[in-house]
Amino acid sequence: DVKVTQSSRYLVKRTGEKVFLECVQDMDHENMFWYRQDPGLGLRLIYFSYDVKMKEKGDIPEGYSVSREKKERFSLILESASTNQTSMYLCASRVLGLAGSSYNEQFFGPGTRLTVL
Amino acid sequence: RKEVEQDPGPFNVPEGATVAFNCTYSNSASQSFFWYRQDCRKEPKLLMSVYSSGNEDGRFTAQLNRASQYISLLIRDSKLSDSATYLCVVFNTNAGKSTFGDGTTLTVKP
Repeated sequence: DVKVTQSSRYLVKRTGEKVFLECVQDMDHENMFWYRQDPGLGLRLIYFSYDVKMKEKGDIPEGYSVSREKKERFSLILESASTNQTSMYLCASRVLGLAGSSYNEQFFGPGTRLTVL
Repeated sequence: RKEVEQDPGPFNVPEGATVAFNCTYSNSASQSFFWYRQDCRKEPKLLMSVYSSGNEDGRFTAQLNRASQYISLLIRDSKLSDSATYLCVVFNTNAGKSTFGDGTTLTVKP
């Protein structure tokens, strides 16, 4: 079974703090993703990575950065947390699949609920 | 306009009912299609892929109409355990990323 783990289930931080969210997958997947999920807004892609050292901006990258130094680990960084970054953060991984292939399935971690006070 | 739009719901149905969810997508470059299920306070999990010819998995049937850019999910003989939020997902291979619909919440009642 694919397993995607996230460093914390719940996190409370103060405005202005630097926040690290860690994600690790154990299936040697090339692609990894960070989303945030908010009521009424669905899942929105923050950043993704095709492979080690590679990163691409998603739909809402402002206020975030990422790091992919090892294939199994993808970190999301909030340089200076703000209250509007209070959200559920979901990490996902996926094997690099062919177009139309079910291998494009994404496997999600359990999520980190971040509260910024 | 959102890239992926779903019925807003919520859907409240009795056990045994048949319920259908619809989804439209705007990017014609989308190449793979999926339905995910998300239980309350849990992560999304793949329910089924959607193929052009339509596909069935037990009580679940998915359809894709590329010309109309429309995806559907039909659930027959609803069970209490089907209560969840169903997410429509389209994947663009060129962009390398998926776009999720906002989800439709289903509650199946005894």
